[in-house]
Formats: sequence, C-alpha cells, structure tokens
Amino acid sequence: AQTVTQSQPEMSVQEAETVTLSCTYDTSENNYYLFWYKQPPSRQMILVIRQEAYKQQNATENRFSVNFQKAAKSFSLKISDSQLGDTAMYFCAFVPDRQGGSEKLVFGKGTKLTVNP
Amino acid sequence: EAGVAQSPRYKIIEKRQSVAFWCNPISGHATLYWYQQILGQGPKLLIQFQNNGVVDDSQLPKDRFSAERLKGVDSTLKIQPAKLEDSAVYLCASSSLGILFNEQFFGPGTRLTVL
Repeated sequence: AQTVTQSQPEMSVQEAETVTLSCTYDTSENNYYLFWYKQPPSRQMILVIRQEAYKQQNATENRFSVNFQKAAKSFSLKISDSQLGDTAMYFCAFVPDRQGGSEKLVFGKGTKLTVNP
Repeated sequence: EAGVAQSPRYKIIEKRQSVAFWCNPISGHATLYWYQQILGQGPKLLIQFQNNGVVDDSQLPKDRFSAERLKGVDSTLKIQPAKLEDSAVYLCASSSLGILFNEQFFGPGTRLTVL
C-alpha cells in the first residue's frame, strides 16, 4: 500500500521569504506521479505542481518548485517570494501510473501554511 | 469552462438521519471521484466512477453509504443512517479519460455536520 507522510502540521513564513514543505512517501511502484495541492480556506483544492517519477528534472511553476529525490522517496515543495495569498493547507499526493486502472490519489495529512505580513 | 459543482455547500443533520450530496462534473469528464476529508486529515477516496460504472469503491462503507452516477454525468452520494463520525467535508472531483494520467479537478465540497 502506498503512504504519504507530511511531518510538518503547521508552518509560518514572513511575506516575501522562502519556505519549504516536506513530504515523504512509500511505494513499491516504479512509475508514478507526485503532486502538491493547495486548499485555501474556501476549501476548493487546486493543483500547484506535479512531478512525473521518470523525469529527473525537478518541476517548477513560477514561484513554486520541487526537490524530488526518488531514491530517498522525498518530494519537498519550495515557495519563493511568499505572498499572503499562499496561506492555505498544502497536501502532498501520490498516484501510481497504471493504464486502465484506478487513479486513486493518496494524500498526506497536510501542512497548514500561514504567510505573515 | 465551468468547474465542478457541488450542492449543498453545508448540511447539518442529527445522527441516524439521511443526507444526500450532488455533484456535477466538468463537461466531458468521464471519471468522477468522491472523497471524504475528515478535519485534520487529507482526502480519502470513497468511490470512483468511469462513465456510469464503478471502478473503485473499496473504501466506501457500503452498509450506510451509496452512490450513483446516472447517465455518466451527475452523481449523488447518500448516507443512511448518518453517524457522528461521518462529519467531514465531501469532495467531488472529475477528470478526463486518456492513456496518460489526467489532472483531477475538485469542487468546493460539502461540509457535513452530524449532531
């Protein structure tokens, strides 16, 4: 069974600074996808960034980037130039790459990030 | 493009009552998911539909939960009878069908409180 662990229940950062959220996962799969989702207080889950396990290059999306360490099964999210709108719950999620099978997302428990002015 | 719609947004019921949630996925999305998100935890998949067939319902408490997706579009999730531990946010998500993994788009959720 796949598991996703987020060891930081809460974090805070000053506006304009950089923060890193940690995530580790456990799987026997070789091909899979990893995601970071953002869930603001309004509760609508939004995809922030995704990483395909077969790609060695770390994904980046504007101020968001990941550090993907496949051997260590680690997938951290770095937010640069933090903004007040980044305040939200952040979930790390995993899905195996299986054609025709269940595409069930497995989520971690989340990290509550607060950006302070 | 309209997003995933869910209703109601909030529901408060007494234990042992029944409740139903409705989801309308993004137009053209063949796959629909219902997740349960208990406070302080990440979402957990309850059931996944592909068109109007069930792909995965292994974590659905079938003695009290039921779900259907008529005509492969809208879906309803029902709880009968509700228990205190069913208090959670129920999220609906949808994705298109393809060979490669397709992003899941989430609705705003329905917050259920069971008293």
